[in-house]
Amino acid sequence: DAGVIQSPRHEVTEMGQEVTLRCKPISGHNSLFWYRQTMMRGLELLIYFNNNVPIDDSGMPEDRFSAKMPNASFSTLKIQPSEPRDSAVYFCASSLFTRGLVRQNSNQPQHFGDGTRLSIL
Amino acid sequence: GQQLNQSPQSMFIQEGEDVSMNCTSSSIFNTWLWYKQDPGEGPVLLIALYKAGELTSNGRLTAQFGITRKDSFLNISASIPSDVCIYFCAGQRTPRQLTFGSGTQLTVLP
Repeated sequence: DAGVIQSPRHEVTEMGQEVTLRCKPISGHNSLFWYRQTMMRGLELLIYFNNNVPIDDSGMPEDRFSAKMPNASFSTLKIQPSEPRDSAVYFCASSLFTRGLVRQNSNQPQHFGDGTRLSIL
Repeated sequence: GQQLNQSPQSMFIQEGEDVSMNCTSSSIFNTWLWYKQDPGEGPVLLIALYKAGELTSNGRLTAQFGITRKDSFLNISASIPSDVCIYFCAGQRTPRQLTFGSGTQLTVLP
């Protein structure tokens, strides 16, 4: 089975440029997550979607960051304009969320892509 | 926000030895997960724990969900060189959000 697919794997660009990261979640998964990983702060959740709708974007650092999910099989994370402090590894993850009958929702594990290593010069 | 304390930060052990690492939190979690991450790759799920007290094995790996729901441990028995990587715990409180520990870097010496 194909896992979460991210592209590009590496991106090097100059500050001020627009950066677009892409993610294809696992087929059938209805929740999608964008994370950022740095040595200093570890793995941080930026935003997550459920059924293509952004549910919580409180982790997005600032207005320069935006994310979209136009359909169930594709999401983008955009940084415009990019800054050197945005350099990090960005991960996309997906999972299947099912709502139970009596307040019992299913916490299916998240599966991660291999990430995009972003360097802003 | 919620924080997980994962320890140790790093471990150097001889091949064949057993390894133990743990995570503690001031908050209760409904699910505990253990991931491993190799350089240049994303976290890969090793074990998922859904109930307080649950003990689950995956080959040489064993993990437990603490009774208080505020902690979990991971044991690796008879370590081998390919066990070298970073291990992360993650606690889940809501159906969709994970809080990650800071990771344990494992080195296995031949």
